[in-house]
Amino acid sequence: SSELTQDPTVSVALGQTVRITCQGDSLRGFYASWFQQKPGQAPLLVIYDRDKRPSGIPDRFSGSSSGNTASLTIAGAQAEDEGDYYCNSRDTNSDHLVVFGGGTKLTVL
Amino acid sequence: EVHLEESGGVSVQPGRSLRLSCTASGFMFGDYAMTWFRQAPGKGLEWVGFIRIKGYGGTSEYAASVKGRFTISRDDSKSVAYLQMNNLKIEDTAVYYCSRDMYGDEPPEYFQYWGRGTLVTVSS
Repeated sequence: SSELTQDPTVSVALGQTVRITCQGDSLRGFYASWFQQKPGQAPLLVIYDRDKRPSGIPDRFSGSSSGNTASLTIAGAQAEDEGDYYCNSRDTNSDHLVVFGGGTKLTVL
Repeated sequence: EVHLEESGGVSVQPGRSLRLSCTASGFMFGDYAMTWFRQAPGKGLEWVGFIRIKGYGGTSEYAASVKGRFTISRDDSKSVAYLQMNNLKIEDTAVYYCSRDMYGDEPPEYFQYWGRGTLVTVSS
């Protein structure tokens, strides 16, 4: 299956902007979704179809993509944004399969 | 309101079998594919597989890591999806989540709704 690569850790000062990236060959053909996960909780979809936000997700979350890289940007990071972030997309080899990045732990300082 | 609840997670020995259930409410269960994911302790998310709706044959697809050992099924009359896990291995230890996608796509793509998960521990 395809692989998606994320930086393991990222930090941001409170109120500043942070970008979390996800790289992989599957992103040349499929858009990424992004999930936020806090300890002991289920994942929460924050971005889908590259740049769309589900209802209830603050507009400080945005998504973009270029080539084989997808990005999640949090503009004006808040303390409650701290957690793990995962990207996912369909698999290049078979579009009914799903691949995830390894996750990025975001720390808000 | 969409609600998903997993159940059935326990501690079992390697080689044994276990069936997890995902009970759904708040939507027309038969109109949506259902997907299972898992997360090993301290690790990332892993897609396990999904089952299509009856209109698409009700067939299932699986990750290579579980293919041949795990089977997903559904009972639309009860709004329940099942994950039958056979020949369990230590590396199958994880929290197992069921999920429904946003639009009822084929295959499912935008995983908006998740249960709280159920823990399966495989240990001798």
